[in-house]
Amino acid sequence: GAVVSQHPSWVICKSGTSVKIECRSLDFQATTMFWYRQFPKQSLMLMATSNEGSKATYEQGVEKDKFLINHASLTLSTLTVTSAHPEDSSFYICSAFATGGPYSNQPQHFGDGTRLSIL
Amino acid sequence: AQSVAQPEDQVNVAEGNPLTVKCTYSVSGNPYLFWYVQYPNRGLQFLLKYITGDNLVKGSYGFEAEFNKSQTSFHLKKPSALVSDSALYFCAVSPDSSYKLIFGSGTRLLVRP
Repeated sequence: GAVVSQHPSWVICKSGTSVKIECRSLDFQATTMFWYRQFPKQSLMLMATSNEGSKATYEQGVEKDKFLINHASLTLSTLTVTSAHPEDSSFYICSAFATGGPYSNQPQHFGDGTRLSIL
Repeated sequence: AQSVAQPEDQVNVAEGNPLTVKCTYSVSGNPYLFWYVQYPNRGLQFLLKYITGDNLVKGSYGFEAEFNKSQTSFHLKKPSALVSDSALYFCAVSPDSSYKLIFGSGTRLLVRP
């Protein structure tokens, strides 16, 4: 079964609203989680690395004030798209990094993604 | 700059035939290499990885990949394709033990009955 839960799976909202996406590791603690953005028929683009208890590390070109990341616990990271506009519409995927235990056979466990559509 | 290349946007193969999805990388040092599969509107599922050791790595669902250091390649293979293997395949590399992944552009595999 899934070891990383991402919610919601699909969201449609009006331009100007803020949208929060949750990423939970279900069976292990994840001190590090990653947030990706995927455009249609394209690869995953790493947006930021989320570290529990500290500020996220953003990739070059990603607006930290636009994409707020909070990693307040060892099992939950959230991505908030603030004042979303149509150009923010995309497929957002999170992953959790398992440092040890039975889930460390693969370094990143991925959520099922969130399709965000801004009208 | 570190990068991963998947030269084929799409690979078409008949069911029962062998398949190969190509991947080459440009990373300094000894990278960690991965293959993932993505089904529509889903996240990525892990297939296999190469860290060290035997160059031929066996993974999930009958897939395997061969690490070739001299050619900096990590091609994904399967001896007999299934229609259900049709999906989007990503090669990824991590330049170090941080496991921060750099993804290729993806290859769509279409297995026809």
